[in-house]
Amino acid sequence: AQSVSQHNHHVILSEAASLELGCNYSYGGTVNLFWYVQYPGQHLQLLLKYFSGDPLVKGIKGFEAEFIKSKFSFNLRKPSVQWSDTAEYFCAVNGNNAGNMLTFGGGTRLMVKP
Amino acid sequence: ETGVTQSPTHLIKTRGQQVTLRCSSQSGHNTVSWYQQALGQGPQFIFQYYREEENGRGNFPPRFSGLQFPNYSSELNVNALELGDSALYLCASSWDKAYEQYFGPGTRLTVT
Repeated sequence: AQSVSQHNHHVILSEAASLELGCNYSYGGTVNLFWYVQYPGQHLQLLLKYFSGDPLVKGIKGFEAEFIKSKFSFNLRKPSVQWSDTAEYFCAVNGNNAGNMLTFGGGTRLMVKP
Repeated sequence: ETGVTQSPTHLIKTRGQQVTLRCSSQSGHNTVSWYQQALGQGPQFIFQYYREEENGRGNFPPRFSGLQFPNYSSELNVNALELGDSALYLCASSWDKAYEQYFGPGTRLTVT
C-alpha cells in the first residue's frame, strides 16, 4: 500500500520569504509524484509532476520540487512567495503497480501575509 | 477546451437515501476517477473508470458504485447514505490510465 505524509499542516510566511513544504511517501516500487494546489474557492489544480528523468521538476508560478529517491521525499519549493500563493497544497503519489490511484497527503495550508 | 465539470454543486440528503453525482470529463480524456474529500483532509480514491470499465477501487464499501458512459462522462452512486458520507466528492479525468489527472470543482454532499 502507498501512503503520503505532509508534516507541515499550517505554514504562515511573509511575502518574499522562501517556501519549502515537506512530502514523504511510502511505496516499494516506482512512483509518479504530484503537487496539487487548491486556492480559496477554487478546485484542485496540478502544480507540477514527476514521472521520470531529471529529479528537479519545475511547475507553474515559479514552484519547483525535488525527488530524492533515497529519502522517499518530494519537497515543494519556491524562492519568494507572494500573497497570491495563499492556498492549500497537496502532495500525491501514484505507484506504478497501483493502477492510476492517487494517494494524497493531508495537505498543508499556507498563508502568506502581505 | 472545456475542463472537468460536475453537477450538482451542492446537495443535501437524508440518512438512508440514495444519491447520484455526475461528471463530464475534459475533452479527449477517456479515464475518470472519483475521490472523497472530508473536511480538513486530502482526497481519498474511490474508484476509476477507463473506457467504461472499472479500473481500480479504493477502500470504499459496495454501496459506492459508478458508471462510465460511451462519451466518457461518469456517475457516482451512493446508496443507504450515512452521516459520514458528508464530504466533497471530486471527479478527475485523464487522457489515459497512466497520465496526470485534472480535477473538477466537486459536489458538496451533506447528509443529515
